Amino acid sequence: GAVVSQHPSRVICKSGTSVKIECRSLDFQATTMFWYRQFPKKSLMLMATSNEGSKATYEQGVEKDKFLINHASLTLSTLTVTSAHPEDSSFYICSASLLQQANEKLFFGSGTQLSVL
Amino acid sequence: AQTVTQSQPEMSVQEAETVTLSCTYDTSENNYYLFWYKQPPSRQMILVIRQEAYKQQNATENRFSVNFQKAAKSFSLKISDSQLGDTAMYFCAFDSNYQLIWGAGTKLIIKP
Repeated sequence: GAVVSQHPSRVICKSGTSVKIECRSLDFQATTMFWYRQFPKKSLMLMATSNEGSKATYEQGVEKDKFLINHASLTLSTLTVTSAHPEDSSFYICSASLLQQANEKLFFGSGTQLSVL
Repeated sequence: AQTVTQSQPEMSVQEAETVTLSCTYDTSENNYYLFWYKQPPSRQMILVIRQEAYKQQNATENRFSVNFQKAAKSFSLKISDSQLGDTAMYFCAFDSNYQLIWGAGTKLIIKP
């Protein structure tokens, strides 16, 4: 099956620094990638939808200047948490769509646990 | 608003037993997809089963099957012959205009 690689799996950073998370589709081209945030023992919250070559579409309440998303190629999307603060600590998951109809074939990365000190 | 409801926060059963996880959803759409995802302690999200709303036949994947009741907007997951490796969070999700709407999840514990 298709594989989505997400790195790093865990990152600890100081408050005020920026952190970049990468999401790669290893054996397929992903027109659309999604970024989620998951709080402990909670469901996934969609942060933004990323389309290759265009600006990401952010969900209501998600600060686009805080969470920078770049989808420069069909196999790579990055999420940069800028000027991280302790409240940004969370589990971030990306997913990539194999088809134009996003949810028919959706594959998830293994997630990144971000801890901001 | 379209919503997905999982009314069971946590369930536990003995190994080899059958367990059913409930999910209801609300939509005015006629064609859509429904999904069950599994998130084990590793936190990797894994697709368990998928149902297309226009198909009346319930989807089945080995020990996993669904009871899809379109009129009742119900989409329950049955796990037969449960195994220790089935211990995980299970999320029901609904595809709305190419975005997934997620239920709150059910924590399933399989006891040896």
